Amino acid sequence: AQSVTQLDSHVSVSEGTPVLLRCNYSSSYSPSLFWYVQHPNKGLQLLLKYTSAATLVKGINGFEAEFKKSETSFHLTKPSAHMSDAAEYFCVVDYSSASKIIFGSGTRLSIRP
Amino acid sequence: GAGVSQTPSNKVTEKGKYVELRCDPISGHTALYWYRQSLGQGPEFLIYFQGTGAADDSGLPNDRFFAVRPEGSVSTLKIQRTERGDSAVYLCASSLASGALPDTQYFGPGTRLTVL
Repeated sequence: AQSVTQLDSHVSVSEGTPVLLRCNYSSSYSPSLFWYVQHPNKGLQLLLKYTSAATLVKGINGFEAEFKKSETSFHLTKPSAHMSDAAEYFCVVDYSSASKIIFGSGTRLSIRP
Repeated sequence: GAGVSQTPSNKVTEKGKYVELRCDPISGHTALYWYRQSLGQGPEFLIYFQGTGAADDSGLPNDRFFAVRPEGSVSTLKIQRTERGDSAVYLCASSLASGALPDTQYFGPGTRLTVL
């Protein structure tokens, strides 16, 4: 079955330290991959997307993600966390043959002062 | 307003009532999607429109749920005989669906439905 797994439901880091949010997908081929962020009481915002042009994808607000086909992973990183990064992050997979996208269960990112 | 809009932002209703939730997609986007997000979970797919037709409604939980998009733009999600378990945030998204991959979906702010 096609699925996407976010390995951590909650990640807490100190301001100024690196962020790593993990995501693995199941697929026999390379799907389209996205990361969305959801701030409290706000809509889902696209952070970045994998287009197959490059395995390292840069997004907004200093986030980036690396596609590793051999590991079926698409982990999200940021070198230095900011208080405004506190939000829920969703890894999303588009298995185009299904005409719909599948969301991971989300990772809540907390930033300690 | 260039984004996806949804109305109402909040809807409180009583068990057994009928509700309609509206979505205005981004102009020119041919694809429209409805998702449901329960508390503490990721959004779950409900239905996908390509133009006026429902291309995939496999996510609708039962026949109390129905959605239309009569002119290929605005869509309405209709829920009959609401139950407390229907309480959730209902999200709408739209995309160009031009054939180029990846097809990015842009989300509205959602409608928070509470069934008492």
